[in-house]
Order: sequence, then structure tokens, then C-alpha cells
Amino acid sequence: GQNIDQPTEMTATEGAIVQINCTYQTSGFNGLFWYQQHAGEAPTFLSYNVLDGLEEKGRFSSFLSRSKGYSYLLLKELQMKDSASYLCAVRVPDSSYKLIFGSGTRLLVRP
Amino acid sequence: DTAVSQTPKYLVTQMGNDKSIKCEQNLGHDTMYWYKQDSKKFLKIMFSYNNKELIINETVPNRFSPKSPDKAHLNLHINSLELGDSAVYFCASSLAGSTDTQYFGPGTRLTVL
Repeated sequence: GQNIDQPTEMTATEGAIVQINCTYQTSGFNGLFWYQQHAGEAPTFLSYNVLDGLEEKGRFSSFLSRSKGYSYLLLKELQMKDSASYLCAVRVPDSSYKLIFGSGTRLLVRP
Repeated sequence: DTAVSQTPKYLVTQMGNDKSIKCEQNLGHDTMYWYKQDSKKFLKIMFSYNNKELIINETVPNRFSPKSPDKAHLNLHINSLELGDSAVYFCASSLAGSTDTQYFGPGTRLTVL
């Protein structure tokens, strides 16, 4: 089966750093994606990891350890607009480039 | 200059009706998808088409039928709507390839009364 776990909710303070974890157990692995989804809007692409290590993109970084089936999304210098759901998704290596999504982590940034 | 567009944005209908949702992408992508996001915000793949050919068909009731007239369009037709079909339906597209990223449309909120 396919299983992707993320915490349901997190709260952090404006200006702080927050780490959102994702663990996965899937029938193979062909890359891990993080998406941001504001309430009532479409998911938007944040980052992609296929090799172990850290990918940095401005205030957002994403880390992957394939041997541990683990990823995290790190958000620095939090802003109020970062309040959103963060979705972890794994691509499984079948013929269809299918993404399996976790249930998402709802992040609330407080002043 | 919208990348992935869907119509309608909101759809309210009675049980038993038939309805369609349309999706178009102007990104030149080869692959298009339909996802369902339920009230618990779980985003689940339903269908995928690559160059008008069906490549993913998850365990979805056969009341749901996707149609791809060309590679820029993927429509979703739903027959005999049920209460449990109420959800947000997202269309997405990507280039076929090992590093493709999926880009999502704005979603269609379907409410079945």
C-alpha cells in the first residue's frame, strides 16, 4: 500500500522558523514534492527532491532522506501569508507519473 | 495568461443529475489529471491522460467519465450524481517526463443536494 504521514496542524510565530515533516512508505519512489495550498485555492508547487539532501529556494528549503523515507519542509522568517496547508506528495515509478498525496499539514502563523 | 483553467468554479446540483466540468491548459503540457479533494482535504488522483490516451484510472465509480478531445483539454462528466460526490475537483497538467511538476487549476467546488 501507499502511506504518507504528516502532522495535521502546526502553529508558529511570525518571524520564526518551522519544520514540517513527512514520512512515506510507498511502492517505489521517483521524487517527492511539496505543495502549498491556501484555503479555497489550488495547490501551488514549492519544491521537488529526488536525491538525498537539502534543496534551498529563498525562505523555503526541503530535505530528503530516501533510506529513511523522510522529508521535511523548512520555512524561515515566517510571514502571516505563510498560513496555509502544506502537502507532501510522492511520485511512484509506474507508467503514469502518479502522485500520492499526504493529507496535508495546516500551518497557522500568529503575530 | 491563465495556465490551467477550469469551469465552472462552483457547481450546485440535485442528486441524480448529470454534470460536466471542463479543464483547459495553455502550457503545452502532454499530460492532464483530475483529482478529488474531499472535506478532509485529502487530494486523490482520479484520472490521467497523456496525449489524449488514458493512463491512470483509479478506483472511481464508472459514473465518472473523463474525455480528452485534444491534449490541451480534459473534461470530466459525472452521471447520476450522489451526495458523496460533493468535493472540490482539481484539474492539473504536466510535461511527461521524470522531473515533471504538476500545475493545478483553481478547482471546481461541487455540491450535491
